[in-house]
Amino acid sequence: GAVVSQHPSRVICKSGTSVKIECRSLDFQATTMFWYRQFPKQSLMLMATSNEGSKATYEQGVEKDKFLINHASLTLSTLTVTSAHPEDSSFYICSARDLAGGTEAFFGQGTRLTVV
Amino acid sequence: LAKTTQPISMDSYEGQEVNITCSHNNIATNDYITWYQQFPSQGPRFIIQGYKTKVTNEVASLFIPADRKSSTLSLPRVSLSDTAVYYCLVGDMGGRGSTLGRLYFGRGTQLTVWP
Repeated sequence: GAVVSQHPSRVICKSGTSVKIECRSLDFQATTMFWYRQFPKQSLMLMATSNEGSKATYEQGVEKDKFLINHASLTLSTLTVTSAHPEDSSFYICSARDLAGGTEAFFGQGTRLTVV
Repeated sequence: LAKTTQPISMDSYEGQEVNITCSHNNIATNDYITWYQQFPSQGPRFIIQGYKTKVTNEVASLFIPADRKSSTLSLPRVSLSDTAVYYCLVGDMGGRGSTLGRLYFGRGTQLTVWP
């Protein structure tokens, strides 16, 4: 299947700093990518839809000024957690769908963010 | 968007067939049914997808009755490495106003395979 890569896979940052997470579709183009957050022992929660060349669409309750999303190309979306706090510590996962190739969504390996 | 209901957990032994049923009573006409597998600290992995009747691939089968209000993921002869959380999701296949790709995860089913 298609490959979605996230970087970094693990990051530790100090409270108050910002962290950028990259999501790349390696062998296909994705005009739309999706960002999820997953807390321990819980399910994935959709945070936002990242649209290439336009503003992201955020799910209800997700702060757009805290979770900045940029989708500058057809293969790259970035999520920046601004002014991170310990409660932002979570597992962040992106997904993308190859609109030219099918209807299943492919997920990245996830990024473990720990804010200390 | 259709809500899904699955058992929270299931147990099985190696070599057995496992069937996980998912209810999605308000599935829409354009919705596909997709199952994902997730291991701890990893992103979900696509298992199988279907629209109606039966779909089979190298790892699983998916049974969908005519009313499409439920689906059953069948894993033949499970092994210890199949211990994971399995998610059933429904989502549309595209078209005008499509939310293609927006998938809302339920709680999933924790499958534990014992030796």
